[in-house]
Order: sequence, then structure tokens, then C-alpha cells
Amino acid sequence: DAKTTQPPSMDCAEGRAANLPCNHSTISGNEYVYWYRQIHSQGPQYIIHGLKNNETNEMASLIITEDRKSSTLILPHATLRDTAVYYCIVRASNTGNQFYFGTGTSLTVIP
Amino acid sequence: GAVVSQHPSRVICKSGTSVKIECRSLDFQATTMFWYRQFPKKSLMLMATSNEGSKATYEQGVEKDKFLINHASLTLSTLTVTSAHPEDSSFYICSPLKGTGDWNEQFFGPGTRLTVL
Repeated sequence: DAKTTQPPSMDCAEGRAANLPCNHSTISGNEYVYWYRQIHSQGPQYIIHGLKNNETNEMASLIITEDRKSSTLILPHATLRDTAVYYCIVRASNTGNQFYFGTGTSLTVIP
Repeated sequence: GAVVSQHPSRVICKSGTSVKIECRSLDFQATTMFWYRQFPKKSLMLMATSNEGSKATYEQGVEKDKFLINHASLTLSTLTVTSAHPEDSSFYICSPLKGTGDWNEQFFGPGTRLTVL
């Protein structure tokens, strides 16, 4: 079962930063926080993941609170192509643990 | 990175027929494969987990005799929807697992849109 809670939808103006929150208050010590997004009728696309330190890559930044009970995905300069459903997932790294998807956040980037 | 393909990308079939969906990991070997399905405006739901050479493990509520999974090689897994009905119309996504032991990564295929008339 999904162990995360996300707002169902958000809007963001094009060119502005999109901040997507996620609550994972029951996260275990060995579980990572992953973010994926899904554009309509495509498979999920990996964005970023982290354990406890903040992470940044070419797509986004991931901010994880010190108690690890919540995180925020930041898209620094949202474009229209970032319109998608964003999923926050917690998962342990050892073999056999699969992703369970929650309902995600539907992000709409507005021109 | 990793490249995962699914074939076909889209299929329309008549009620009562069987449909086979192939999933290939093109540049890595996957000992474990997950299959998901997604209904319109809904999230991905895990259907089953299969390990190469073993029988698949199905999630509660998923009929193993209806959704046949074969994971005969480390780069190919197939999902066969037998005697498909309109309620089986969905988006099916495979997800191979790369790596074993303490660290592994899960990738996703592009999905197969099944429409049963």
C-alpha cells in the first residue's frame, strides 16, 4: 500500500518554481523517497530520489525534512512540458521491494 | 540509464480473445519483473511480481488464470490477458528491476493500451 500523501492537484505559472509536497510520516529508516512523473498515456519517468540529504539533478531538487516525514520536489523553472502527474513513493532498496503508487499530484503548468 | 520496451503499444481486440504483451529490457538483465495496470484517471496498481524461471506472485484480487505471466529470460517477460472482456481495458505497464542484493533500481516500460470491444 502507498505510504505517502500528496495534494491531488496544483497549478504553477510557466517559468516559476513548482513546489510539490509529500508527506511520508511512517517512513522507515531504510526507505528512500522517490519521485516519478507520468505524462498522459506514457510510462512513469524517474525524476529523483534521496534518503536523507537534499538532492539535485538536471531535472529537479528534492528537499527532505530532517525527521524525514515529509519532502518537497522542486522544479525550478516549470515549463508546459512539465504538466504531468507526479508521484512520491517510499521504498526500501533491497531486492524484491516494489513501488506502490499513491494518487499523486496532477500538476498543471499555466502559460 | 536503462531502456525498456513494450509491444504492442496499443491493441484493440474483440471480447473473448487473448492478448499477449511483451516487455523487454534492452540493455540490462532483469531478474524480477513487476506488472502494473492503470485505469483512466487512476494511479498505477501492482498486479504481479515475477522472478525469472519462477511462477509469478499475484496481488490480492488479480486472477492468476486470467493474467498469465511468463518470465522465461532475463530480458523478456510477457503478460497474456486471456479471454479478454471490456472491463480488462486498461493501460498495462511493465517494470523490470535492475540489480540485486542491497541495491536495485526499478524502471518502467512505455505502457500498452488495451481496448477490448
